[in-house]
Amino acid sequence: EVQLVESGGGLVQPGGSLRLSCAASGFTFSNSEMNWVRQAPGKGLERVSYISSSGNTIYYADSVKGRFTISRDNAKNSLYLQMSSLRAEDTAVYYCARDRYMAGVDYWGQGTLVTVSS
Amino acid sequence: EILLTQSPATLSVSPGERATLSCRASQSVSGNLAWYQQKPGQSPRLLIYGASTRATGIPARFSGSGSGTEFTLTINSLQSEDFAIYYCQHYNNWWTFGQGTKVEIK
Repeated sequence: EVQLVESGGGLVQPGGSLRLSCAASGFTFSNSEMNWVRQAPGKGLERVSYISSSGNTIYYADSVKGRFTISRDNAKNSLYLQMSSLRAEDTAVYYCARDRYMAGVDYWGQGTLVTVSS
Repeated sequence: EILLTQSPATLSVSPGERATLSCRASQSVSGNLAWYQQKPGQSPRLLIYGASTRATGIPARFSGSGSGTEFTLTINSLQSEDFAIYYCQHYNNWWTFGQGTKVEIK
């Protein structure tokens, strides 16, 4: 059974930092392109960051560039998102998502809620 | 950045009827478009990719069509479990999502 399990969300003050993790199982993580996608309360979906299977190619949304860092550990089947200088507008559910090249996002985690508030 | 505009924002449909959802791209995305279903408190679920290919396990009542800038998701004979929000997504380079169409019970 495919599983993507996010952790690390919570309440953080503006300007603070948080590290999200995603544990993958049930598929070949090391061959998979991965993403973080977020959804603000009552809003739509926004891709935050992408990392290639090897970790050599990384992209960020303009809204998080310079503040967020995506990484992965293929030996541990894990994906990470280091978030710093957090703002109120970063408040959202963050999903870990497996990207099938040119075929959509077929696996999603259950999401972890990040709330940025004083 | 390619913008996707979905219409209508809300669609009221009776069970057993057909729902037709539209997604328009600001520039051509060829056939690189997917549709997702999201129910309250749940993660999105892939329904369609490549504009018209159903994902694994998706019932045949869901169908997608279109290419270039105009796309349609059709849900035939709506079931109770189909009332949800539907998003389109293009995957030409940096992906973006449409703002969603809520399909509600009439």
